[in-house]
Amino acid sequence: DADVTQTPRNRITKTGKRIMLECSQTKGHDRMYWYRQDPGLGLRLIYYSFDVKDINKGEISDGYSVSRQAQAKFSLSLESAIPNQTALYFCATSDEMQGYGYTFGSGTRLTVV
Amino acid sequence: GQSLEQPSEVTAVEGAIVQINCTYQTSGFYGLSWYQQHDGGAPTFLSYNALDGLEETGRFSSFLSRSDSYGYLLLQELQMKDSASYFCAVDDTGFQKLVFGTGTRLLVSP
Repeated sequence: DADVTQTPRNRITKTGKRIMLECSQTKGHDRMYWYRQDPGLGLRLIYYSFDVKDINKGEISDGYSVSRQAQAKFSLSLESAIPNQTALYFCATSDEMQGYGYTFGSGTRLTVV
Repeated sequence: GQSLEQPSEVTAVEGAIVQINCTYQTSGFYGLSWYQQHDGGAPTFLSYNALDGLEETGRFSSFLSRSDSYGYLLLQELQMKDSASYFCAVDDTGFQKLVFGTGTRLLVSP
């Protein structure tokens, strides 16, 4: 099994619909992140969490919300999806004691029509 | 604002050496990381520099000059499998919150 698992892998949804992207990890890491990737724009941070009780906005949090249900689970929600939220979404984890390398999930490709 | 600049594309031949540069302007600086991403895949961590100088990991090396706000990734003995996108990323808070560059696509030809 993958260390960081994202579900679903692909999703097509309609404008205005609520959608949740899920991320779970078996690394035992405290820190979890949601990034979106758009062609030519690199990876941009949406939200991050350093432990279950800590949630922080990233640079592009508008239109998104998150929930840290447990140390191992971090979900991203789009309350009312719009077409410009079409992107590749990555969840990542890191651990302060194990260096600066993020472990990324395989990504969720979301299309809003 | 935060910005990390990288060339959009670099081409090279198998066996060659290629350098991918990254210049940054961020509100804080606690380290520079490099990630590799193959098409359709997830980014994977390559290297990290917190102090000035060169870090070597096999065929890959990474360099940092904090006074110049500049770093580079050096790939030696290029192989076809090195064709991928490479991203630099700055930890701007000291808490592993990374700001990523827009990426450099490396094309290795035979």
